[in-house]
Amino acid sequence: GAVVSQHPSWVICKSGTSVKIECRSLDFQATTMFWYRQFPKQSLMLMATSNEGSKATYEQGVEKDKFLINHASLTLSTLTVTSAHPEDSSFYICSALPRFSYNEQFFGPGTRLTVL
Amino acid sequence: DAKTTQPPSMDCAEGRAANLPCNHSTISGNEYVYWYRQIHSQGPQYIIHGLKNNETNEMASLIITEDRKSSTLILPHATLRDTAVYYCIVRVYNNAGNMLTFGGGTRLMVKP
Repeated sequence: GAVVSQHPSWVICKSGTSVKIECRSLDFQATTMFWYRQFPKQSLMLMATSNEGSKATYEQGVEKDKFLINHASLTLSTLTVTSAHPEDSSFYICSALPRFSYNEQFFGPGTRLTVL
Repeated sequence: DAKTTQPPSMDCAEGRAANLPCNHSTISGNEYVYWYRQIHSQGPQYIIHGLKNNETNEMASLIITEDRKSSTLILPHATLRDTAVYYCIVRVYNNAGNMLTFGGGTRLMVKP
């Protein structure tokens, strides 16, 4: 149990286009989901905290108008990278906190975005 | 959340125990120690967590010093598949939906 999926697993797009990444908790409900970004050979950096039915909370330095987050249900959060540029190329990872647990977060497998 | 310090890399022979240290000298009384690992190009995987008592599960053991200023993650019989970056994180255990703050971690290389 406690599986989190991400779709797509990798995506290549042209500069200026928008890309949507989905994060789903497959067998549990998650009121809170987190989005991280990881550049090569670096650690994960939290981008935003997404709560179901409310606006996401963004970390300092993360542009909310560029990285749109929608947490419309208890099992789905989406991250849309708008007007992507090569510097947005990164590994994007989501995690989900089960509804009645504050023990462990479950991470998705990640989405590798390459912007040409 | 308290900051953690880990060695950037370690090697371990296959079949031997891997002991990964973590310093968290500024940990406060209500903060837990969590360990995650990340295999290359995958999402992090939860390993174990503890407050002050030693903990053991099917993956690893966690030894926390009496003053809680440091801890050691032990993989009793490391395999090649244990090669990964191991992150030690301290955070409060509550229902505030706390994020995890990842440091640099320790890159463990298990060698044949």
